[in-house]
Amino acid sequence: EIVMTQSPATLSVSPGERATLSCRASQSVSSNLAWYQQKPGQAPRLLIYGASTRATGIPARFSGSGSGTEFTLTISSLQSEDFAVYYCQQYNNWPWYTFGQGTKLEIK
Amino acid sequence: QVQLQESGPGLVKPSQTLSLTCTVSGGSISSGSYYWSWIRQPAGKGLEWIGRIYTSGSTNYNPSLKSRVTISVDTSKNQFSLKLSSVTAADTAVYYCARENGVTTFVGLDYWGQGTLVTVSS
Repeated sequence: EIVMTQSPATLSVSPGERATLSCRASQSVSSNLAWYQQKPGQAPRLLIYGASTRATGIPARFSGSGSGTEFTLTISSLQSEDFAVYYCQQYNNWPWYTFGQGTKLEIK
Repeated sequence: QVQLQESGPGLVKPSQTLSLTCTVSGGSISSGSYYWSWIRQPAGKGLEWIGRIYTSGSTNYNPSLKSRVTISVDTSKNQFSLKLSSVTAADTAVYYCARENGVTTFVGLDYWGQGTLVTVSS
């Protein structure tokens, strides 16, 4: 099993500032990584796949980078609607997909 | 616009079988471009991928759950289903169905149901 570790567990950022979330894989997943956003009481929403490709309708302020074992989700100029929990997901170990434990992005 | 909706009992007794159905609207489950997946999330915790099915009936399961999971598809009803046997309290979670976009290249779990809470308790 590929274990995905996200850091930090909670990130406090002010609106308008930049947020940087990290995801580390226990072994290389190449660029086979996705990011999801989840708000309370809602299903996850796909943001990024292929480590850096934005999903349909996702604003340009969301960007992903990385390959191998280290990945980053960056949200530039945080909007109020961006405060949520973010999960990374590897799909390299196909078809056994695993998720990180999540990073909660909260308002500072 | 594709929509997915989970349905099934919200309460299951220990040792019994959890059964859920996902109804897909706004698109055909028989489209060859997608897999159809189940994911669960215990309260306050992260996401766990359970398994998926293709329109042909081909399945893939999480190895940690494989001995207890069965996913099936009913193309005539545009539905797919989950059965999880011998449940315990550890199976209490919100269960989501989702569409996996891309058959040869993963393009993400791009449409999700709203989720349904299943509690395992006597």
